[in-house]
Amino acid sequence: SQTIHQWPATLVQPVGSPLSLECTVEGTSNPNLYWYRQAAGRGLQLLFYSVGIGQISSEVPQNLSASRPQDRQFILSSKKLLLSDSGFYLCAWSARRDSDLNTEAFFGQGTRLTVV
Amino acid sequence: RKEVEQDPGPFNVPEGATVAFNCTYSNSASQSFFWYRQDCRKEPKLLMSVYSSGNEDGRFTAQLNRASQYISLLIRDSKLSDSATYLCVVNFPEGGGFKTIFGAGTRLFVKA
Repeated sequence: SQTIHQWPATLVQPVGSPLSLECTVEGTSNPNLYWYRQAAGRGLQLLFYSVGIGQISSEVPQNLSASRPQDRQFILSSKKLLLSDSGFYLCAWSARRDSDLNTEAFFGQGTRLTVV
Repeated sequence: RKEVEQDPGPFNVPEGATVAFNCTYSNSASQSFFWYRQDCRKEPKLLMSVYSSGNEDGRFTAQLNRASQYISLLIRDSKLSDSATYLCVVNFPEGGGFKTIFGAGTRLFVKA
């Protein structure tokens, strides 16, 4: 069965510090991978998505970046965090199926980031 | 215009009530649709897929209107445990894969 791991679960970082959040998927190959952010009391905002190694699409201009060094690994990074980067960060994957279009997304348990 | 828009909420309803959520999407190439449920401080989880002919799962009924680019979720006989945020989700092909866009969510409070 497929599983998705995301860590850490909770993180408190000072303004200006770097960030690295990691997400890995097991039990599937060539997944679509996503990073979302959810600010307190707000909906999910798509930050990045990837359809393959080294292929990253950015949805929102910001001081965050994403990388996919391996097929099932997706990393969210920042060189200098801002207060506004606080939020609930969720990694998700969905299967790439050409014929079956009902590809639901599965989420990791999320990282709650507080920038102080 | 946002790619996926939902009722603003919150919806406050008594137990046993019927409540309906609406969602519209802007990309006519959208090909698959879902409703997710998110409990407080948890990750979203799939509630049900939405099929063209409409589908039902117990007290939950989902409808899709492709012509109007509109999705709905109906909850009958609301339970206290239905209190959560309901997210409308749309997939459309892009860049060789699928882009999955979530609505901002509608909060539901079911009260005794």
